[in-house]
Amino acid sequence: DIQMTQSPSSLSASVGDRVTITCRASQTISGYLNWYQQKPGKAPKLLIYDVSSLQSGVPSRFSGSGSGTDFTLTISSLQPEDFATYHCQQSYSSPRTFGQGTKLEIK
Amino acid sequence: EEQLVQSGAEMKKPGESLKISCKGSGYSFINYWIGWVRQMPGKGLEWMGIIYPSDSDTRYSPSFQGQVTISADKSINTAYLQWSSLKASDTATYYCARFGGSSGWYSGFDIWGQGTMVTVSS
Repeated sequence: DIQMTQSPSSLSASVGDRVTITCRASQTISGYLNWYQQKPGKAPKLLIYDVSSLQSGVPSRFSGSGSGTDFTLTISSLQPEDFATYHCQQSYSSPRTFGQGTKLEIK
Repeated sequence: EEQLVQSGAEMKKPGESLKISCKGSGYSFINYWIGWVRQMPGKGLEWMGIIYPSDSDTRYSPSFQGQVTISADKSINTAYLQWSSLKASDTATYYCARFGGSSGWYSGFDIWGQGTMVTVSS
């Protein structure tokens, strides 16, 4: 299985901050990296697919980058509704493993 | 509206069997894969396996192979996840989600069900 490691596991930030979350794969996953946002008690929501493609309806303050084994999710200016847990997932090979999640909290 | 609607919360005893469901609507159910994802209380997401309802092609994570069975009935646009003998460690929320279609084999899960909470306790 490909292991996905996110950092940090948790993060405190303020409204308006720029935030970056990192995801590292244990082997190359080409360009098949997805990011999800999950709020408490809710299902995850797809934000970004194929490393950097924004899912329809997702605000442009979210962006993704990276290649090979190292990837990042950036939120350019945090809004109150962005405080949530973020998960990366590789869709290169089965099982399509997730990272452990990054909880973004209000400072 | 494209959506997946899951069956309701379940409370079971260890050793009991269970089958939960995920019904798709608003899109061509047979043209997308359906996956199942486990989330234990306070934990991350775990990919359990997938099924292609058109031909019931099924793939399992090695971690879940033999522990659960994934199936689908394309005539009623419904996928299932079942256990023959539940354990306390199966307590979790289970999500179904779809991928594929025009987005292709490598796409992410773009539509999710609302989740089914399964509690196993004596």
